[in-house]
Amino acid sequence: GENVEQHPSTLSVQEGDSAVIKCTYSDSASNYFPWYKQELGKRPQLIIDIRSNVGEKKDQRIAVTLNKTAKHFSLHITETQPEDSAVYFCAASRSSNAGGTSYGKLTFGQGTILTVHP
Amino acid sequence: EAQVTQNPRYLITVTGKKLTVTCSQNMNHEYMSWYRQDPGLGLRQIYYSMNVEVTDKGDVPEGYKVSRKEKRNFPLILESPSPNQTSLYFCASSLGRGRTSGNNEQFFGPGTRLTVL
Repeated sequence: GENVEQHPSTLSVQEGDSAVIKCTYSDSASNYFPWYKQELGKRPQLIIDIRSNVGEKKDQRIAVTLNKTAKHFSLHITETQPEDSAVYFCAASRSSNAGGTSYGKLTFGQGTILTVHP
Repeated sequence: EAQVTQNPRYLITVTGKKLTVTCSQNMNHEYMSWYRQDPGLGLRQIYYSMNVEVTDKGDVPEGYKVSRKEKRNFPLILESPSPNQTSLYFCASSLGRGRTSGNNEQFFGPGTRLTVL
């Protein structure tokens, strides 16, 4: 099955700096890669996602890049702010268009605790 | 208000005592899923359902059962809970049709913190 590795497990930056979190996946049939943010005591919420037919997607200060050949994708946060402090999870899944079974499974990385210091 | 609800939010129980955690969504979503969250392990999928009467195992299904008799509800059943099932549990749902329904934003419930003594 799919295996998603996420690094680093903790990341500490100064306000205004950039933060980068990287994930690798094992199943070449995976074609959907979401990123979720979970604030302390809250539920995970989607912040951005990318599908395998594009290499990069941006939404204001957040961007995600995907390298299908290397099977890795990254989250980039620019001009970080204290409210960006949270746990970030990457994930991978595939639809039936990729063939095979087990579509519908969503495999998450282990999470990255991001702390932005004022 | 569009939402996913879970009950109970907190539960302390003893080994072997059957329990059910309910999950309900009011967004007419086809896809529903259960996850457990443990420190250092992230979110791990227990079971998911692509539609009514269609369920499938996630990565950690052992010790759990689910059912999807109607679209809005997806209860998680622990027939004989054990201490290693102490965890934070999240239910989630997503819009979508058919086999691509898992590849869409998932909306999470508030979580159920379960302790098995």
